[in-house]
Amino acid sequence: DTGVSQNPRHKITKRGQNVTFRCDPISEHNRLYWYRQTLGQGPEFLTYFQNEAQLEKSRLLSDRFSAERPKGSFSTLEIQRTEQGDSAMYLCASSLSPGLAGYNEQFFGPGTRLTVL
Amino acid sequence: AQSVTQLDSHVSVSEGTPVLLRCNYSSSYSPSLFWYVQHPNKGLQLLLKYTSAATLVKGINGFEAEFKKSETSFHLTKPSAHMSDAAEYFCVVIHTGTASKLTFGTGTRLQVTL
Repeated sequence: DTGVSQNPRHKITKRGQNVTFRCDPISEHNRLYWYRQTLGQGPEFLTYFQNEAQLEKSRLLSDRFSAERPKGSFSTLEIQRTEQGDSAMYLCASSLSPGLAGYNEQFFGPGTRLTVL
Repeated sequence: AQSVTQLDSHVSVSEGTPVLLRCNYSSSYSPSLFWYVQHPNKGLQLLLKYTSAATLVKGINGFEAEFKKSETSFHLTKPSAHMSDAAEYFCVVIHTGTASKLTFGTGTRLQVTL
């Protein structure tokens, strides 16, 4: 399977702990996106990378959140001092840079479901 | 700012009957719109996209959507529902500019009964 993969699929942690999620994009894709989906809502944009550069961050991404894509391949999303409000599904997507059409399809991974107790 | 509103949080249809999932958009100019489907424990999958070409867009699995500028709508339809269509459906608008980030609606859960 050459799709987007995310690990772990599920994470349960206690409030105040740090957690890290990993996303492996489709290998030839230079763009990588992180979204967050809470119960009953659609996914919301968090941040994106083009190659290893993080080009935009949403206001949803507080100082406790940090994302990296060190070699322009896989990415990690770390949440420090987790809070119960961080409980959500964290989705990763990858794509090629927009071409002349202005858009290339984003392919989504299955997500990491975080539960903060 | 661009946004989409999905008018129904839950739609239930019988197998073999038509499906209609409603979406209205808000944009100061002609938007690019998409429908994504999310099956349990699976990633979001693109159903179809409208990018200012033909207003009637055909997607996978027999779904189609019509862009109506006068009504600011982009409703998703399928002539005959199948049990495998049961899932969460999201209407999505893309932000123009370099980021190409997606803004999702709140979703419509489609239930298909026998």
